[in-house]
Amino acid sequence: EDQVTQSPEALRLQEGESSSLNCSYTVSGLRGLFWYRQDPGKGPEFLFTLYSAGEEKEKERLKATLTKKESFLHITAPKPEDSATYLCAVGNNAGNMLTFGGGTRLMVKP
Amino acid sequence: EPEVTQTPSHQVTQMGQEVILRCVPISNHLYFYWYRQILGQKVEFLVSFYNNEISEKSEIFDDQFSVERPDGSNFTLKIRSTKLEDSAMYFCASSYTSEGEQFFGPGTRLTVL
Repeated sequence: EDQVTQSPEALRLQEGESSSLNCSYTVSGLRGLFWYRQDPGKGPEFLFTLYSAGEEKEKERLKATLTKKESFLHITAPKPEDSATYLCAVGNNAGNMLTFGGGTRLMVKP
Repeated sequence: EPEVTQTPSHQVTQMGQEVILRCVPISNHLYFYWYRQILGQKVEFLVSFYNNEISEKSEIFDDQFSVERPDGSNFTLKIRSTKLEDSAMYFCASSYTSEGEQFFGPGTRLTVL
């Protein structure tokens, strides 16, 4: 059974204070690892897909990296508008469902 | 930019009643999904649908649930006899390929009284 664990559950940062969110996973055969952003009461918003260890993707202040056991979402010089819950999900080769982690709730104070 | 839409945004129903949640996936997407998120919990997969049939379903998706693509644009989730524990946010998603990124709608909040 695929499993995804995210840490920390919650993270408070000052504006401009860089940090990283962790996503540890076990999957029978990785089809892809997906990062989403979720604002309160809204649906997950797609950010990145990573397919193989060593791959990196960047978008504005966010950078996602992947190893064989975990993925990191690095946030550089965050702004208050980056406050949200960040979700990690994995897909396996046997099907097309996604298995989600519990998310990291990020709060960026001005 | 194309997006997944869902209606209604909020549905309140009595236990035992049938509900139908509606979704319009992104127009050129071929794979469709339903997920749910109970308040404070993880997003959970329910079912995936391709070429007019279910391609995968979870243990949650029992005989009380069904999905349908009644026409070329809509994708629906029906719960035949709602239970209190069905109260959750229900998200529809779609993707162009089976391995590609899934794009989610804004959700329908279902409250069962």
